Amino acid sequence: DAGVTQSPTHLIKTRGQHVTLRCSPISGHKSVSWYQQVLGQGPQFIFQYYEKEERGRGNFPDRFSARQFPNYSSELNVNALLLGDSALYLCASSRTSGKGTGELFFGEGSRLTVL
Amino acid sequence: QKEVEQDPGPLSVPEGAIVSLNCTYSNSAFQYFMWYRQYSRKGPELLMYTYSSGNKEDGRFTAQVDKSSKYISLFIRDSQPSDSATYLCAMSGSGGYNKLIFGAGTRLAVHP
Repeated sequence: DAGVTQSPTHLIKTRGQHVTLRCSPISGHKSVSWYQQVLGQGPQFIFQYYEKEERGRGNFPDRFSARQFPNYSSELNVNALLLGDSALYLCASSRTSGKGTGELFFGEGSRLTVL
Repeated sequence: QKEVEQDPGPLSVPEGAIVSLNCTYSNSAFQYFMWYRQYSRKGPELLMYTYSSGNKEDGRFTAQVDKSSKYISLFIRDSQPSDSATYLCAMSGSGGYNKLIFGAGTRLAVHP
């Protein structure tokens, strides 16, 4: 079975632009979470979606938004890009909403560089 | 103060050594404790998962959680060059295992 797939793998944008990152979860997984990993740091939680509903939001500005589609794939959108948005954006999927025990499976990420 | 503290290393050990990786945390509500391994330019891969306090062993890996001290550890026995990676501790509380708080990661290099 395919793992979590993300696209694009790399992209370069300039300040002020908009970016859309895409994620397809593992087949059968209904939850998608997004994380930002700045170089040299651990991933930081941005959003979680389960069954197309937002189930959690981290401490990120409103320039960050996301949605989940009926097929459980997801998009992360970032508006008005800043230099500090340069990071590896990781998508993770799981079978359940997160209660009880379970595993979170990560994709290989989309590396965003903002110039 | 960060919720999860992890020494970034780097840690360099010879092949066959026992490696000890540690994290401390401040939030007593954390219940789920994980260790992820991340190779360069790859996504994190779950190694170990522990709920509440105690020990868990899986092959060469042992995870320990001491909630009274707010301290978790990962031990790697008979370390191999293929273990060279960044090791991230992660934890979560009532929000569930999808909303993880990660440490900064410890870079480990195992040399032949």
